[in-house]
Amino acid sequence: DQQVKQNSPSLSVQEGRISILNCDYTNSMFDYFLWYKKYPAEGPTFLISISSIKDKNEDGRFTVFLNKSAKHLSLHIVPSQPGDSAVYFCAASALGGANNLFFGTGTRLTVIP
Amino acid sequence: SAVISQKPSRDICQRGTSLTIQCQVDSQVTMMFWYRQQPGQSLTLIATANQGSEATYESGFVIDKFPISRPNLTFSTLTVSNMSPEDSSIYLCSVLGSRTPPFGQFFGPGTRLTVL
Repeated sequence: DQQVKQNSPSLSVQEGRISILNCDYTNSMFDYFLWYKKYPAEGPTFLISISSIKDKNEDGRFTVFLNKSAKHLSLHIVPSQPGDSAVYFCAASALGGANNLFFGTGTRLTVIP
Repeated sequence: SAVISQKPSRDICQRGTSLTIQCQVDSQVTMMFWYRQQPGQSLTLIATANQGSEATYESGFVIDKFPISRPNLTFSTLTVSNMSPEDSSIYLCSVLGSRTPPFGQFFGPGTRLTVL
């Protein structure tokens, strides 16, 4: 059973506009959420994270929002750049279990110049 | 951040054979993790490898199929045994990012395995 879901396999956005990537989860025990970015032929790279005690975390052009009641989080990229084109994975962990991350299936973002 | 390398980067193998994937880290780490990403699927944790002890396998994965070695604090291997086409996946190793607040993991580039 997929505990972390990314229902949009792909997203295309014009350069300079906002990219919004969504993620839903089912396990209420998850207390930490992460976003990873993956380029072809490379491993996933940690991008940004958020604790369940917060509802927003911002790092430069990247902001992650968490809605615990809806079990939903989103990654906003503003402004989007062509170099942001990659596959983005949402991941979650529970009870401080850093060694067991549950990943979504990924969303392929294409930023059009 | 840790720098992780994997060998081979890709391979095409025949059904029934075995392949050993190597993972090398540029620093000493206690825990190393092995993941599998099947086509169109999410990354799934296979096992956690600690130096000096048996690997801990996740539900659905067994040692006979995926034996793991962890001879020292910078190296690990994962063997995919008696392969079938269903084993065609990307296999990745990762380590905890101890300086990353918290729970970040650093991943290797992955090994793309195709089983014919």
